[in-house]
Amino acid sequence: DAKTTQPPSMDCAEGRAANLPCNHSTISGNEYVYWYRQIHSQGPQYIIHGLKNNETNEMASLIITEDRKSSTLILPHATLRDTAVYYCIVRVVNTGNQFYFGTGTSLTVIP
Amino acid sequence: DADVTQTPRNRITKTGKRIMLECSQTKGHDRMYWYRQDPGLGLQLIYYSFDVKDINKGEISDGYSVSRQAQAKFSLSLESAIPNQTALYFCATSDSGAPNREQFFGPGTRLTVL
Repeated sequence: DAKTTQPPSMDCAEGRAANLPCNHSTISGNEYVYWYRQIHSQGPQYIIHGLKNNETNEMASLIITEDRKSSTLILPHATLRDTAVYYCIVRVVNTGNQFYFGTGTSLTVIP
Repeated sequence: DADVTQTPRNRITKTGKRIMLECSQTKGHDRMYWYRQDPGLGLQLIYYSFDVKDINKGEISDGYSVSRQAQAKFSLSLESAIPNQTALYFCATSDSGAPNREQFFGPGTRLTVL
């Protein structure tokens, strides 16, 4: 099963871009990368996902390397409300589309 | 997400008791999931269901059972609760017809087993 590796914590100044890295070196060709975040102990919230192309939505951008072994989530202008734990997840498509959560990155946005 | 509700939100029980956690959704999704989260860790999948007649074990199903009573309802049972099942439990749903397979999570149930 593909798993992900993320730094345990990061800080970012308010208004600056937050770049959160993720390593998924064992990912298979048909497995998607998803990003979720969890604020305090609330239910995780979907941010963005991708297969091999870079993606952008109203919340963030996702940059996936050409070999697909790593990706970066970019929050272009971090606000205090972006303080949360960010999970990089690989969705396994061959058996039930399961999500495998790692331990995530705790992002603190500093005023 | 208000479309996915969990009851109870908090529960304290004793070792050996049978506990049921309930999840309901109004999103019309066919797929439902139960996850467990221990302090400082990510979520682990307990069980998932792709429709009313389909139940599948996840990573950590031992000690748990589930029932999909209807498309909108998915309950998780601890037949004989033990202290190391103290955790935050999340229900989630997804739509098999949606291209992004996004999972929508409930607010969680905090379970303490004494």
